[in-house]
This record gives sequence, structure tokens and C-alpha cells, in this order.
Amino acid sequence: DGGITQSPKYLFRKEGQNVTLSCEQNLNHDAMYWYRQDPGQGLRLIYYSQIVNDFQKGDIAEGYSVSREKKESFPLTVTSAQKNPTAFYLCATRLAFSTDTQYFGPGTRLTVL
Amino acid sequence: GESVGLHLPTLSVQEGDNSIINCAYSNSASDYFIWYKQESGKGPQFIIDIRSNMDKRQGQRVTVLLNKTVKHLSLQIAATQPGDSAVYFCAVANYGGSQGNLIFGKGTKLSVKP
Repeated sequence: DGGITQSPKYLFRKEGQNVTLSCEQNLNHDAMYWYRQDPGQGLRLIYYSQIVNDFQKGDIAEGYSVSREKKESFPLTVTSAQKNPTAFYLCATRLAFSTDTQYFGPGTRLTVL
Repeated sequence: GESVGLHLPTLSVQEGDNSIINCAYSNSASDYFIWYKQESGKGPQFIIDIRSNMDKRQGQRVTVLLNKTVKHLSLQIAATQPGDSAVYFCAVANYGGSQGNLIFGKGTKLSVKP
């Protein structure tokens, strides 16, 4: 995980509520990513950011929003518009957008009650 | 677009044996490949990577083989240990092209029998 923290580890949400997942990194990496992982499925890209104040939608952005006001932080908000938000959410970083591997945080498990 | 497939969703091996996990990709322009290990409830951990200008790369007890002709990638784990039990998945990228994002396979769950 080194250098990437996600909080909280477990999060419970009532239907109709927005919740925000935190991702912080001290690796000085430019690019940050949010993925969703469902049982037996590959990782699916929600949003990504190459630099501060810039971000792009991934494959499954509907019902999610992000911000990138600081290089170190890339919070993800799961809105009430996301129809099936229960999943394991993973944040990742990369040194630069077009180079090297992505490193992952420990994840946040979100459950909708 | 790229798709990444898996040959076996589960693999069971005896402790001390070698393990081989396979992955197939569809885009011949893919130029960067990664293997990750994910333990239950944790984030994926980088194991080893390889670029398309190589056929083989070795790490500590792990070897990645790339066959670009058939678009196939494999991870070999030598002398498999109980601590190797996890889900392993590959990821593929085309960094030379316009798509710089990784495409992930679904993973193979490796179980090591003592």
C-alpha cells in the first residue's frame, strides 16, 4: 500500500445518501485513479486524474463525482444516483500518466443498507 | 478496444510445486503488462511487469513470460508457498497509443495446499 491511504476501511450508507471516500498519497505521483471491484469481476475504472484540477470519466462514471484540488488528494463521492453502490473501492496512483505501473491503496468497502 | 481474458478462474497447487497463471489479451498494440496479487480484503499488490520489447522477466521466485505472437501472458511462481494464496490478475496497457489506462483481467484464485 505504501504511501496511499484510503479511509474509511468500511463504510455503510443508507439509500438516498451521498458518501465521500478519501484517498491520500505522499508518493508525489501525478496521476490518480478510482476503481470499483465487484466479486468475481475485474477492476472497472470510475474516474481518473492526470494533474491537479483536471479529471476524466472512466468506464462507469455515472452516479459518481470526484475533485482534484490538491496533488495529494483525490476524493470520490458516491451519490444517490448510483443504483448499486455496494462494492470494494480502490484508489491507485501512477508517477505519470503514460509511464510505469499503478500502485493501489488498501481499499474501502462500501455497503448500502 | 482491449479485452483481457483468463484461462482459469481457480488454481490449486501443492506447497512446493510451481504455479502457472495465464492471461490473454486482444490488442496487438498493447505494450505494457503487469501482474498483481490481491489478498482477501486488501488492495492489489504489484508483483512484476514487462514491456513488449521483452519476452521474459524474472523477479524473486516469479517469472513473467510474454508471447506477443499469440497475445498471451503468464506468471510462473516457483516453489509455491501458503503465503502465495491470493487472487492474481494481469493488467494490460497501450502506453504508446492514445489509451494510457490499464485494462484488468478478472483474476485467478490460487490456493496452496500444505
